[in-house]
Amino acid sequence: AQSVTQPDARVTVSEGASLQLRCKYSYSGTPYLFWYVQYQRQGLQLLLKYYSGDPVVQGVNGFEAEFSKSDSSFHLRKASVHWSDSAVYFCAAGGSSNTDKVVFGTGTRLQVSP
Amino acid sequence: GPKVLQIPSHQIIDMGQMVTLNCDPVSNHLYFYWYKQILGQQMEFLVNFYNGKVMEKSKLFKDQFSVERPDGSYFTLKIQPTALEDSAVYFCASSPQGNERLFFGHGTKLSVL
Repeated sequence: AQSVTQPDARVTVSEGASLQLRCKYSYSGTPYLFWYVQYQRQGLQLLLKYYSGDPVVQGVNGFEAEFSKSDSSFHLRKASVHWSDSAVYFCAAGGSSNTDKVVFGTGTRLQVSP
Repeated sequence: GPKVLQIPSHQIIDMGQMVTLNCDPVSNHLYFYWYKQILGQQMEFLVNFYNGKVMEKSKLFKDQFSVERPDGSYFTLKIQPTALEDSAVYFCASSPQGNERLFFGHGTKLSVL
């Protein structure tokens, strides 16, 4: 069965520090991978996506993620966080078929302290 | 950017009543989804829908749940009858290609008393 694991429920970092949010997936074949962000009381917004090719993908607001097939991981990174990055971050995986569902991880709540 | 609208934003009903959650997806999108979010975090897949049919549903999509999109109008999630454990925030999403990015609404908070 497809699944996405985000091992860290909460992460706290200081403003200006670097960030890594972890994501591991279990999926038959090579999934399509996504990172979404949810700000308080809003719907999810796409940060970045990976389908194929260069394993490092760039997203909005300075975020990037690296796909690793050997490690079944898709970790999210940012070089220097801002207080406005405080939100819940979801890793997600979907299949290559249009009718495949998209499965989300449990989310990581990021708190950026001043 | 493209927007998915969900109506209402908050619904309070008594256990056992019927409720319909409405979603106005992005106009040229063909794939539709409902997710259930519990305690502000876990996003649980409920169902996806394409070409007038349910493609896949999860174990959370109980027999009391149904979805439809009659004649290109709202994509609806109906729960009949409701139970206390149905209290959650329900998110609608739509997508142009299915395995492309999902566009989410702001959610409907359902409170079953």
